[in-house]
Amino acid sequence: DQQVKQNSPSLSVQEGRISILNCDYTNSMFDYFLWYKKYPAEGPTFLISISSIKDKNEDGRFTVFLNKSAKHLSLHIVPSQPGDSAVYFCAAKDNQGAQKLVFGQGTRLTINP
Amino acid sequence: DVKVTQSSRYLVKRTGEKVFLECVQDMDHENMFWYRQDPGLGLRLIYFSYDVKMKEKGDIPEGYSVSREKKERFSLILESASTNQTSMYLCASSLGQANEKLFFGSGTQLSVL
Repeated sequence: DQQVKQNSPSLSVQEGRISILNCDYTNSMFDYFLWYKKYPAEGPTFLISISSIKDKNEDGRFTVFLNKSAKHLSLHIVPSQPGDSAVYFCAAKDNQGAQKLVFGQGTRLTINP
Repeated sequence: DVKVTQSSRYLVKRTGEKVFLECVQDMDHENMFWYRQDPGLGLRLIYFSYDVKMKEKGDIPEGYSVSREKKERFSLILESASTNQTSMYLCASSLGQANEKLFFGSGTQLSVL
Protein backbone atom coordinates (compact mmCIF):
# COMPACT_ATOMS: atom_id res chain seq x y z
CA ASP A 1 0.00 0.00 0.00
CA GLN A 2 1.55 3.25 -1.18
CA GLN A 3 1.39 5.67 1.76
CA VAL A 4 3.03 8.50 -0.18
CA LYS A 5 1.88 9.05 -3.75
CA GLN A 6 3.15 11.21 -6.55
CA ASN A 7 0.56 10.75 -9.25
CA SER A 8 2.40 12.55 -12.03
CA PRO A 9 5.31 10.47 -13.35
CA SER A 10 6.56 13.39 -15.43
CA LEU A 11 6.18 17.13 -15.86
CA SER A 12 7.48 19.45 -18.55
CA VAL A 13 7.81 23.21 -17.90
CA GLN A 14 9.16 26.15 -19.85
CA GLU A 15 12.28 27.83 -18.45
CA GLY A 16 11.36 30.83 -16.31
CA ARG A 17 7.87 29.54 -15.52
CA ILE A 18 6.66 27.97 -12.28
CA SER A 19 6.99 24.22 -11.70
CA ILE A 20 4.48 22.64 -9.31
CA LEU A 21 5.06 19.09 -8.11
CA ASN A 22 2.37 17.39 -6.06
CA CYS A 23 2.36 14.72 -3.40
CA ASP A 24 -0.44 13.03 -1.44
CA TYR A 25 -0.20 10.88 1.66
CA THR A 26 -2.56 8.60 3.53
CA ASN A 27 -0.95 8.12 6.95
CA SER A 28 -2.20 10.73 9.44
CA MET A 29 0.77 9.92 11.70
CA PHE A 30 3.18 11.58 9.27
CA ASP A 31 4.45 14.81 10.81
CA TYR A 32 7.52 15.75 8.79
CA PHE A 33 7.86 15.96 5.03
CA LEU A 34 10.85 16.34 2.75
CA TRP A 35 11.60 16.79 -0.93
CA TYR A 36 14.64 15.19 -2.52
CA LYS A 37 16.09 15.80 -5.96
CA LYS A 38 17.88 13.11 -7.93
CA TYR A 39 20.07 13.44 -11.01
CA PRO A 40 20.91 10.33 -13.09
CA ALA A 41 23.76 8.24 -11.66
CA GLU A 42 23.70 10.18 -8.40
CA GLY A 43 22.05 9.62 -5.04
CA PRO A 44 19.08 11.78 -3.98
CA THR A 45 19.98 15.08 -2.34
CA PHE A 46 17.87 16.92 0.20
CA LEU A 47 16.05 19.96 -1.13
CA ILE A 48 13.56 21.32 1.41
CA SER A 49 11.42 20.12 4.31
CA ILE A 50 8.36 21.11 6.30
CA SER A 51 7.03 20.19 9.70
CA SER A 52 3.33 19.49 10.18
CA ILE A 53 3.04 22.51 12.48
CA LYS A 54 3.62 24.76 9.46
CA ASP A 55 1.78 25.17 6.19
CA LYS A 56 4.57 26.79 4.19
CA ASN A 57 8.34 26.78 4.05
CA GLU A 58 10.44 28.78 1.64
CA ASP A 59 14.07 28.53 0.58
CA GLY A 60 15.09 30.72 -2.32
CA ARG A 61 13.30 29.57 -5.47
CA PHE A 62 11.76 26.59 -3.66
CA THR A 63 8.58 26.68 -1.58
CA VAL A 64 6.77 23.74 -0.04
CA PHE A 65 3.11 23.99 0.91
CA LEU A 66 1.37 21.57 3.27
CA ASN A 67 -2.39 21.08 3.48
CA LYS A 68 -2.91 18.71 6.39
CA SER A 69 -6.67 18.43 6.03
CA ALA A 70 -6.26 17.27 2.43
CA LYS A 71 -3.12 15.27 3.22
CA HIS A 72 -1.43 17.01 0.34
CA LEU A 73 1.82 18.84 -0.18
CA SER A 74 3.32 20.58 -3.15
CA LEU A 75 6.71 21.89 -4.19
CA HIS A 76 6.84 25.15 -6.16
CA ILE A 77 9.94 26.12 -8.09
CA VAL A 78 9.98 29.64 -9.47
CA PRO A 79 11.52 30.58 -11.76
CA SER A 80 12.36 27.16 -13.19
CA GLN A 81 15.85 26.71 -14.58
CA PRO A 82 17.35 24.02 -16.86
CA GLY A 83 19.44 22.71 -13.93
CA ASP A 84 16.19 21.87 -12.13
CA SER A 85 15.60 19.02 -14.57
CA ALA A 86 15.74 15.93 -12.35
CA VAL A 87 13.54 13.39 -10.60
CA TYR A 88 11.87 14.77 -7.47
CA PHE A 89 10.85 12.53 -4.60
CA CYS A 90 8.46 13.43 -1.85
CA ALA A 91 9.13 11.71 1.51
CA ALA A 92 7.43 11.56 4.89
CA LYS A 93 8.27 10.53 8.44
CA ASP A 94 5.82 9.47 11.12
CA ASN A 95 5.66 10.72 14.70
CA GLN A 96 6.17 7.31 16.25
CA GLY A 97 9.89 7.83 16.69
CA ALA A 98 11.19 5.82 13.77
CA GLN A 99 13.74 7.73 11.74
CA LYS A 100 12.94 6.02 8.47
CA LEU A 101 11.45 7.92 5.55
CA VAL A 102 8.64 6.71 3.27
CA PHE A 103 9.10 7.88 -0.32
CA GLY A 104 6.76 8.53 -3.21
CA GLN A 105 7.28 7.17 -6.71
CA GLY A 106 8.99 10.31 -7.99
CA THR A 107 8.19 12.89 -10.67
CA ARG A 108 10.58 13.52 -13.54
CA LEU A 109 10.74 17.27 -14.15
CA THR A 110 12.04 18.54 -17.48
CA ILE A 111 12.71 22.25 -17.94
CA ASN A 112 12.65 23.28 -21.58
CA PRO A 113 14.77 26.23 -22.76
CA ASP B 1 30.06 17.54 4.11
CA VAL B 2 28.72 14.09 4.84
CA LYS B 3 30.09 11.43 2.59
CA VAL B 4 28.27 8.15 2.05
CA THR B 5 30.31 5.81 -0.13
CA GLN B 6 28.98 2.72 -1.85
CA SER B 7 31.70 0.35 -2.92
CA SER B 8 30.49 -0.38 -6.44
CA ARG B 9 28.70 1.78 -9.00
CA TYR B 10 27.74 -1.18 -11.21
CA LEU B 11 27.55 -4.91 -10.48
CA VAL B 12 26.56 -7.84 -12.66
CA LYS B 13 25.83 -11.13 -10.92
CA ARG B 14 24.33 -14.48 -11.82
CA THR B 15 21.16 -15.98 -10.37
CA GLY B 16 21.90 -17.85 -7.15
CA GLU B 17 25.08 -15.97 -6.32
CA LYS B 18 25.61 -14.42 -2.89
CA VAL B 19 26.02 -10.68 -3.29
CA PHE B 20 27.48 -8.14 -0.87
CA LEU B 21 26.80 -4.42 -1.21
CA GLU B 22 28.96 -2.27 1.03
CA CYS B 23 28.29 1.20 2.37
CA VAL B 24 30.50 3.44 4.50
CA GLN B 25 29.71 6.84 6.01
CA ASP B 26 32.27 9.21 7.47
CA MET B 27 30.19 11.42 9.79
CA ASP B 28 29.64 9.19 12.81
CA HIS B 29 25.93 8.86 12.01
CA GLU B 30 23.83 6.61 14.21
CA ASN B 31 21.32 5.51 11.58
CA MET B 32 21.95 3.75 8.30
CA PHE B 33 19.47 2.60 5.66
CA TRP B 34 19.25 0.50 2.53
CA TYR B 35 16.67 1.43 -0.12
CA ARG B 36 16.06 0.14 -3.62
CA GLN B 37 14.80 2.34 -6.42
CA ASP B 38 12.66 0.94 -9.20
CA PRO B 39 10.80 2.82 -11.97
CA GLY B 40 7.27 3.66 -10.95
CA LEU B 41 7.82 2.45 -7.39
CA GLY B 42 10.12 5.13 -6.00
CA LEU B 43 12.44 4.30 -3.12
CA ARG B 44 11.48 1.36 -0.94
CA LEU B 45 13.12 0.63 2.40
CA ILE B 46 14.77 -2.79 2.71
CA TYR B 47 16.49 -2.64 6.12
CA PHE B 48 17.76 -0.04 8.53
CA SER B 49 19.94 0.11 11.61
CA TYR B 50 19.91 2.45 14.61
CA ASP B 51 23.15 1.24 16.12
CA VAL B 52 25.98 -1.22 15.77
CA LYS B 53 24.75 -4.83 15.62
CA MET B 54 21.14 -3.63 15.52
CA LYS B 55 18.88 -4.06 12.51
CA GLU B 56 15.24 -3.51 11.68
CA LYS B 57 13.22 -4.78 8.75
CA GLY B 58 11.91 -2.21 6.35
CA ASP B 59 9.03 -2.63 3.92
CA ILE B 60 10.62 -5.21 1.59
CA PRO B 61 13.18 -7.29 3.55
CA GLU B 62 12.49 -10.65 1.86
CA GLY B 63 15.54 -12.07 0.15
CA TYR B 64 17.92 -9.68 1.92
CA SER B 65 19.91 -9.53 5.12
CA VAL B 66 22.20 -6.87 6.60
CA SER B 67 25.25 -6.56 8.79
CA ARG B 68 26.45 -3.68 10.92
CA GLU B 69 29.58 -4.69 12.78
CA LYS B 70 31.02 -1.17 12.88
CA LYS B 71 29.20 2.13 13.20
CA GLU B 72 30.42 3.49 9.88
CA ARG B 73 29.70 0.42 7.78
CA PHE B 74 26.38 -1.13 6.74
CA SER B 75 26.33 -4.10 4.39
CA LEU B 76 23.42 -5.44 2.38
CA ILE B 77 23.52 -9.14 1.55
CA LEU B 78 21.55 -10.95 -1.12
CA GLU B 79 21.79 -14.57 0.04
CA SER B 80 20.83 -16.03 -3.34
CA ALA B 81 20.40 -13.37 -6.00
CA SER B 82 17.33 -13.52 -8.22
CA THR B 83 16.42 -11.59 -11.37
CA ASN B 84 13.74 -9.61 -9.52
CA GLN B 85 16.50 -8.13 -7.38
CA THR B 86 17.89 -6.27 -10.38
CA SER B 87 17.62 -2.69 -9.20
CA MET B 88 19.37 0.50 -8.10
CA TYR B 89 20.41 0.14 -4.46
CA LEU B 90 20.84 3.27 -2.37
CA CYS B 91 22.49 3.50 1.03
CA ALA B 92 21.74 6.42 3.35
CA SER B 93 22.68 7.63 6.81
CA SER B 94 21.38 10.15 9.34
CA LEU B 95 22.55 11.53 12.65
CA GLY B 96 19.66 10.13 14.68
CA GLN B 97 18.08 13.33 15.92
CA ALA B 98 14.39 14.00 15.35
CA ASN B 99 13.56 15.19 11.85
CA GLU B 100 17.03 14.69 10.51
CA LYS B 101 17.38 14.41 6.78
CA LEU B 102 19.00 11.40 5.16
CA PHE B 103 22.25 11.62 3.23
CA PHE B 104 22.50 9.22 0.32
CA GLY B 105 25.32 7.48 -1.49
CA SER B 106 25.53 7.50 -5.29
CA GLY B 107 23.92 4.10 -5.62
CA THR B 108 24.83 0.66 -6.94
CA GLN B 109 23.10 -0.54 -10.11
CA LEU B 110 22.84 -4.30 -9.69
CA SER B 111 21.94 -6.55 -12.60
CA VAL B 112 21.15 -10.19 -11.88
CA LEU B 113 21.26 -12.38 -14.99
